[in-house]
Amino acid sequence: GAGVSQSPRYKVAKRGQDVALRCDPISGHVSLFWYQQALGQGPEFLTYFQNEAQLDKSGLPSDRFFAERPEGSVSTLKIQRTQQEDSAVYLCASSSAWEQYFGPGTRLTVT
Amino acid sequence: GENVEQHPSTLSVQEGDSAVIKCTYSDSASNYFPWYKQELGKGPQLIIDIRSNVGEKKDQRIAVTLNKTAKHFSLHITETQPEDSAVYFCAAPRDTGTASKLTFGTGTRLQVTL
Repeated sequence: GAGVSQSPRYKVAKRGQDVALRCDPISGHVSLFWYQQALGQGPEFLTYFQNEAQLDKSGLPSDRFFAERPEGSVSTLKIQRTQQEDSAVYLCASSSAWEQYFGPGTRLTVT
Repeated sequence: GENVEQHPSTLSVQEGDSAVIKCTYSDSASNYFPWYKQELGKGPQLIIDIRSNVGEKKDQRIAVTLNKTAKHFSLHITETQPEDSAVYFCAAPRDTGTASKLTFGTGTRLQVTL
């Protein structure tokens, strides 16, 4: 079946621009996670949704990061006024129980 | 919160040999331990996981063992093949229960040589 999809796969932004990253979870998965992966590192937790409710946003690095999942399905991670340190791969994962299934990620490069 | 340490950071084995990657965790309440394989340009792929009520789980050439007393778990790959070459991550939940955010290890780059 269809897995988790993310778009765009690659995004280049100039410093100061706003970006929006989209995640389409596996159909029926209640839980959705966003992670940030720096080069050569493991994924780091950003935020978590259960249906449309954002239950944990403790990993968001600053108030420039905002995530939403208004209808409990597709989610968008928005980064305002991008900085060079925001350059990373942003991964989305969905889950119906214990297992988390990841999408291919969006590679964000801020120049 | 949970702290996960993983080693080695790189591992090179000859095709057909076994590979072992080890992780330790800090929170004794952690109860779910997945392993992910990540190939270049792709997202992490769940390859095997284990819950705290068992000590070992096997799926074809891949096995995971868990020692709750020592708070460590290991990934074992037997009869390695070139397509096993990738970065492997262990993880543990920061909270108990399902749908918990994961803390990942720093990764092991496995290279299987012919």
